[in-house]
Amino acid sequence: DAKTTQPPSMDCAEGRAANLPCNHSTISGNEYVYWYRQIHSQGPQYIIHGLKNNETNEMASLIITEDRKSSTLILPHATLRDTAVYYCIALKKNNAGNMLTFGGGTRLMVKP
Amino acid sequence: GAVVSQHPSRVICKSGTSVKIECRSLDFQATTMFWYRQFPKQSLMLMATSNEGSKATYEQGVEKDKFLINHASLTLSTLTVTSAHPEDSSFYICSARPHRGHNEQFFGPGTRLTVL
Repeated sequence: DAKTTQPPSMDCAEGRAANLPCNHSTISGNEYVYWYRQIHSQGPQYIIHGLKNNETNEMASLIITEDRKSSTLILPHATLRDTAVYYCIALKKNNAGNMLTFGGGTRLMVKP
Repeated sequence: GAVVSQHPSRVICKSGTSVKIECRSLDFQATTMFWYRQFPKQSLMLMATSNEGSKATYEQGVEKDKFLINHASLTLSTLTVTSAHPEDSSFYICSARPHRGHNEQFFGPGTRLTVL
């Protein structure tokens, strides 16, 4: 699976949008971009995933560049409970042998 | 839907004892379950992949005789840390992938193991 690169940490003001970038310049055509987050002392939580098109769900939006070399996870109105480590992972879909490989992630601190 | 539970959530044991951690998919069947370990301020590290009815596949550097994995049904996998030592103290997290159609993994809440 392609390597992803994320900034180690970011701050965001409560109520503002949090934009978390991810670089995946070696991503292949059949690899999806998955985002998970891990709140302190909990298991990771699935957020969203996408291939080419932008995606939105009740938690976040995912913007993928046209060349697919990078993406941005957007939390439109960050709350204090969004403070967590966010992981961006490139993963082939529907491959039963595939496992998630977690990098360092981005530690997002939402401040009042 | 897609809830994964772990039991116990926290365990403290003496050095040399064995500890069993259970991972259950509560509302779906999971052909594959994964076990991760996470040390403080570090990312999750995959320990092993477990498929129902077959032997687990361990990642390089993970001792299969020390970390026994059993995946006897589509909703239950267990990890037994045998002869635990203080260096085995960590946060152990399991995840499960639904049987059909998905590649998303759903994670349990984790088990904090402290070996004295």
